[in-house]
Amino acid sequence: GESVGLHLPTLSVQEGDNSIINCAYSNSASDYFIWYKQESGKGPQFIIDIRSNMDKRQGQRVTVLLNKTVKHLSLQIAATQPGDSAVYFCAENPGSQGNLIFGKGTKLSVKP
Amino acid sequence: GAGVSQSPSNKVTEKGKDVELRCDPISGHTALYWYRQSLGQGLEFLIYFQGNSAPDKSGLPSDRFSAERTGGSVSTLTIQRTQQEDSAVYLCASSLISGSYGYTFGSGTRLTVV
Repeated sequence: GESVGLHLPTLSVQEGDNSIINCAYSNSASDYFIWYKQESGKGPQFIIDIRSNMDKRQGQRVTVLLNKTVKHLSLQIAATQPGDSAVYFCAENPGSQGNLIFGKGTKLSVKP
Repeated sequence: GAGVSQSPSNKVTEKGKDVELRCDPISGHTALYWYRQSLGQGLEFLIYFQGNSAPDKSGLPSDRFSAERTGGSVSTLTIQRTQQEDSAVYLCASSLISGSYGYTFGSGTRLTVV
């Protein structure tokens, strides 16, 4: 079965607020994690990644936090904009195989 | 090319017919992946190719599904004797090497079996 899952299937936020999307993973051997954004009718788009030797990584308006103790991953989006509305997937590489394992996704809706 | 290209973008087929879905990865990417995404669901791994190594077929749901990659570039996913439960978006992705790099996805092929 899937080892990656999400705490919240849907998230609605006000434009300008910060968003936090959470993800739990179960494979302690995973050494690489990625967040993807998927807009309607499009393929997933890479947002940010993090390796297991880090606990935080920042990009433009996005931050990924990794807590290996509780096997938790989160994506923080600062000053959420309508263009951020999409489904967000976390994915992990368990280390023993080449393919990523994806969670079911969280739908982020941004209210103007 | 600049990105991963998939064709066709949409395919409607009758139950029992065979279909072929094509993926053109980014030039120079040695790893190529196929995933399936049912409506409102996550991505289900199907198969991946890494260089000249034997493909990892562990995600293929049945023997009606097969894939090949010619010359280390273009890949074709074939579904024989399609069933209605095969209806989904089939996504292809490529990466520089497998494992530790993010994928670049194509826009997918939406397959509808009627």
